[in-house]
Amino acid sequence: ETGVTQSPTHLIKTRGQQVTLRCSSQSGHNTVSWYQQALGQGPQFIFQYYREEENGRGNFPPRFSGLQFPNYSSELNVNALELDDSALYLCASSPLPPQNYGYTFGSGTRLTVV
Amino acid sequence: GDSVTQMEGPVTLSEEAFLTINCTYTATGYPSLFWYVQYPGEGLQLLLKATKADDKGSNKGFEATYRKETTSFHLEKGSVQVSDSAVYFCALSPLGNQFYFGTGTSLTVIP
Repeated sequence: ETGVTQSPTHLIKTRGQQVTLRCSSQSGHNTVSWYQQALGQGPQFIFQYYREEENGRGNFPPRFSGLQFPNYSSELNVNALELDDSALYLCASSPLPPQNYGYTFGSGTRLTVV
Repeated sequence: GDSVTQMEGPVTLSEEAFLTINCTYTATGYPSLFWYVQYPGEGLQLLLKATKADDKGSNKGFEATYRKETTSFHLEKGSVQVSDSAVYFCALSPLGNQFYFGTGTSLTVIP
């Protein structure tokens, strides 16, 4: 098992810019989700992808968007960055259904918006 | 709506002490319940889970029992080690795809 890998590990962006974060799911997992973890808080659900389609979304604005590719890798895109977007972004994969198996998380991308 | 309430930290214990971290939840239906652990600078690791009432999840000496009557899923360990120092998150997954996490409880174990 290779686990979930994310890149980059750290990123600094300026307010108003756009950013793309990348994730490779664990082998055999066909579901990928993205979470935002602010400092000192629990992760907050952004969205989930299954078979390259978004199939669930948390309380995040449309400037947060994503993609899942046929090899189950994924991207998170954030447009018009705001200071409050500074957080650890976690990618998580799971075989379906996640509520039976739990997620495998990557180590995250630390995004700082200045 | 669905939510998780965790015992606030930080918690500091001596090595070999007994650990309890309280977790209660609010959910419709019959959610699955999880405990995750996060070591400094890392992502979350699944510690244990329970998918139905009265199930007991266990792993690495940690245990938690899914109590529907008290809507709780308290984490326990009989004898903690320094290596258990981390942040612990309780989470629930109702039917669907979203996990709801608590705010985390920081545990420090001193020798």
